Amino acid sequence: QKEVEQNSGPLSVPEGAIASLNCTYSDRVSQSFFWYRQYSGKSPELIMSIYSNGDKEDGRFTAQLNKASQYVSLLIRDSQPSDSATYLCALSPGGSTLGRLYFGRGTQLTVWP
Amino acid sequence: DTAVSQTPKYLVTQMGNDKSIKCEQNLGHDTMYWYKQDSKKFLKIMFSYNNKELIINETVPNRFSPKSPDKAHLNLHINSLELGDSAVYFCASSQGAPRYTDTQYFGPGTRLTVL
Repeated sequence: QKEVEQNSGPLSVPEGAIASLNCTYSDRVSQSFFWYRQYSGKSPELIMSIYSNGDKEDGRFTAQLNKASQYVSLLIRDSQPSDSATYLCALSPGGSTLGRLYFGRGTQLTVWP
Repeated sequence: DTAVSQTPKYLVTQMGNDKSIKCEQNLGHDTMYWYKQDSKKFLKIMFSYNNKELIINETVPNRFSPKSPDKAHLNLHINSLELGDSAVYFCASSQGAPRYTDTQYFGPGTRLTVL
């Protein structure tokens, strides 16, 4: 089982602020990293994937990956109350272990109006 | 059209019973998965099938038996249910190996409660 660590939160930010979610991992050979959003009682929904060091932007979301520091983060700009959910960090080791997604325990985000 | 569907959505049963959960995907994907999410929201992979062949079995008790009749369907049968089996079970699918960019899409989940 690969270790994926997230701050459990809860993280609470005002509407319009930047929410910063962090994730560290223990396996240096991990290749693929994903952020899923899960609303209460619903299934995980993919919002970002990142495979190379650096930043990847998609609308209000920016994923940042630093493989040397074994760190991946998600920034949500102009946070909205509809962003309130649990955010799950996941990684795929690649190679012969392809297909396995290892999840962190999630960070609960609340955006208050 | 629902991409990944599961039945039933809720399942309440007594300890010791045997139950099944069904999953279907219409995405044309080759690989399907079962995940278990416990009460603390920790999501953990259980099994994966690629083109009807079992490729991942993550130290799950042998009371759990997955079956894939074809690549669009993956079922999960659980024998002798225990209290600790209470969880939400998610099915997922993806294009499949070997692409490291493979993305998994999740079904709506089946909430299993064992009394």
